[in-house]
Amino acid sequence: AQSVTQLDSHVSVSEGTPVLLRCNYSSSYSPSLFWYVQHPNKGLQLLLKYTSAATLVKGINGFEAEFKKSETSFHLTKPSAHMSDAAEYFCVVSDRSGYALNFGKGTSLLVTP
Amino acid sequence: DAGVIQSPRHEVTEMGQEVTLRCKPISGHDYLFWYRQTMMRGLELLIYFNNNVPIDDSGMPEDRFSAKMPNASFSTLKIQPSEPRDSAVYFCASRRAGGAYEQYFGPGTRLTVT
Repeated sequence: AQSVTQLDSHVSVSEGTPVLLRCNYSSSYSPSLFWYVQHPNKGLQLLLKYTSAATLVKGINGFEAEFKKSETSFHLTKPSAHMSDAAEYFCVVSDRSGYALNFGKGTSLLVTP
Repeated sequence: DAGVIQSPRHEVTEMGQEVTLRCKPISGHDYLFWYRQTMMRGLELLIYFNNNVPIDDSGMPEDRFSAKMPNASFSTLKIQPSEPRDSAVYFCASRRAGGAYEQYFGPGTRLTVT
């Protein structure tokens, strides 16, 4: 079975400082991995995805993530946080078929002025 | 494209009543997914369809829950009878077939069962 663990339930950063949201995965096959963002009272939006191509994946709004097989990690980073980045972030792994998604518990990102 | 459309956006009902949630996927998408989001359990996949056929319903919590997809542009998730523990946000998502496509989520239906 496949699963993801988001290591922090809450992260707080100051505007303009780097963001790091940590995710470890467990899978018996080569997985597809995603990061989704959910703004308050909104649906989910895809930030980026890894599907066995380049290990460094660039997404929208300046976010990127690096797939590290040796560490089974897929951490999300951004060089400089913006107030509008405050949201809930989900690390997601697909099942073997690639269709069903298994979501992490989420990390709430707070950005302070 | 209008995106995935869900209705109603909010539903308040009394315990024991039947609840029907509706979803219209993005045109041309072959797959449709139903998720439930709660504080305790996070986001859970309930069921998904491919070309209107249910593929995996192992996430459906119990027999009170049922889902149908009578055609490519419409799906329902029904709870009968509803219970307070069913209170959650229910999301519908759709995607195209193929390995590299993302799931597009609707805005969700917030269900409150009193």
